[in-house]
Amino acid sequence: DTGVSQNPRHKITKRGQNVTFRCDPISEHNRLYWYRQTLGQGPEFLTYFQNEAQLEKSRLLSDRFSAERPKGSFSTLEIQRTEQGDSAMYLCASSPGQVNNEQFFGPGTRLTVL
Amino acid sequence: DQQVKQNSPSLSVQEGRISILNCDYTNSMFDYFLWYKKYPAEGPTFLISISSIKDKNEDGRFTVFLNKSAKHLSLHIVPSQPGDSAVYFCAASADLFQGGSEKLVFGKGTKLTVNP
Repeated sequence: DTGVSQNPRHKITKRGQNVTFRCDPISEHNRLYWYRQTLGQGPEFLTYFQNEAQLEKSRLLSDRFSAERPKGSFSTLEIQRTEQGDSAMYLCASSPGQVNNEQFFGPGTRLTVL
Repeated sequence: DQQVKQNSPSLSVQEGRISILNCDYTNSMFDYFLWYKKYPAEGPTFLISISSIKDKNEDGRFTVFLNKSAKHLSLHIVPSQPGDSAVYFCAASADLFQGGSEKLVFGKGTKLTVNP
């Protein structure tokens, strides 16, 4: 399967713990995006990378969130000191940078903070 | 502020009939509009897109219409099939060269149910 993969698919954690998610984009895609989706909402943009450079961060991305894409391939999203409000589906997408900005999404990581 | 709005949370149609999903936007800088389909426990899947310089784009059973003056677009599915039952998201992106961003701005989605 050459699509976008995300691990883990599900994560349950206690409030105050740190969690890290991984995204492996489609191999020839140089752009990688993170979105968050809560119940009844559409995906909301968090941040994006072009190769290893983080080019944009949403104001939704508080200081507790950090994302990296060290070699321009896979990316990690870390949430420190998780809060119950962080419970959501975290979606990763990648793109080769097409004119229509079509982005290819992974299956997501569902985070539940107890 | 909700820049992309899908005002119908759900829509139910009979198999074989037309499904029309609507989307409104407020940001005049948006220059590409995309529709995604999402099944439970899966990520969104790209369906069809349209540039702001066009008013119609067709791909098989799916047609997207854009009315730029009304800031309105719609997705038509003809004929609808039970396998089309999913949540449909409208998304938009703004022209990078006019100060936009590569991020997609999504609506809240419309849940389509196609009854056999």
